[in-house]
Amino acid sequence: NAGVTQTPKFQVLKTGQSMTLQCAQDMNHEYMSWYRQDPGMGLRLIHYSVGAGITDQGEVPNGYNVSRSTTEDFPLRLLSAAPSQTSVYFCASSGGPWDNEQFFGPGTRLTVL
Amino acid sequence: QQQVKQSPQSLIVQKGGIPIINCAYENTAFDYFPWYQQFPGKGPALLIAIRPDVSEKKEGRFTISFNKSAKQFSLHIMDSQPGDSATYFCAATYTGSARQLTFGSGTQLTVLP
Repeated sequence: NAGVTQTPKFQVLKTGQSMTLQCAQDMNHEYMSWYRQDPGMGLRLIHYSVGAGITDQGEVPNGYNVSRSTTEDFPLRLLSAAPSQTSVYFCASSGGPWDNEQFFGPGTRLTVL
Repeated sequence: QQQVKQSPQSLIVQKGGIPIINCAYENTAFDYFPWYQQFPGKGPALLIAIRPDVSEKKEGRFTISFNKSAKQFSLHIMDSQPGDSATYFCAATYTGSARQLTFGSGTQLTVLP
């Protein structure tokens, strides 16, 4: 049981490049989320999903796209990277409406030059 | 709009001391208040959580105190150890929110040996 896994661990992009951050969980969790962590700002919700085929926006969705075709995977896409997207990105999952605990992945550190 | 305000930003205590981290929230719909612990290079991990129907919850050396009327809650770490050195985040969410967490800005705790 690997929990929540994220790839890559580190990534450097140039402004305007696109990429996909991968997230997978093997706990059969319904809920999955993406957060970004910036110094002095805690973690902020980007997008979330309550099940396969269902996604919605969080607090800071601009510049990011998500899709959820399977229960296990929840990729985050940056269509045209900007320096303001330099951050550490965390994926999280939880079991469902009555399961409060969110399990976080190890994070992806992204730098946009 | 920061709905959960956390203080202090950083905290240094001697081994055996009792660091206290405070959080205040604005949204009265919040009904679940977790604390997360994060070590460098790792994702946050749930430490302890409380619901507003109780005023205090203790798990081992960690205690949450909750004041519903003041919309405040705090984390106390008894007999702190150098291994407790980490960043601590308070958070809040509400039933039906798809487990979207609103995080405080974080407190970097250092426990000196």
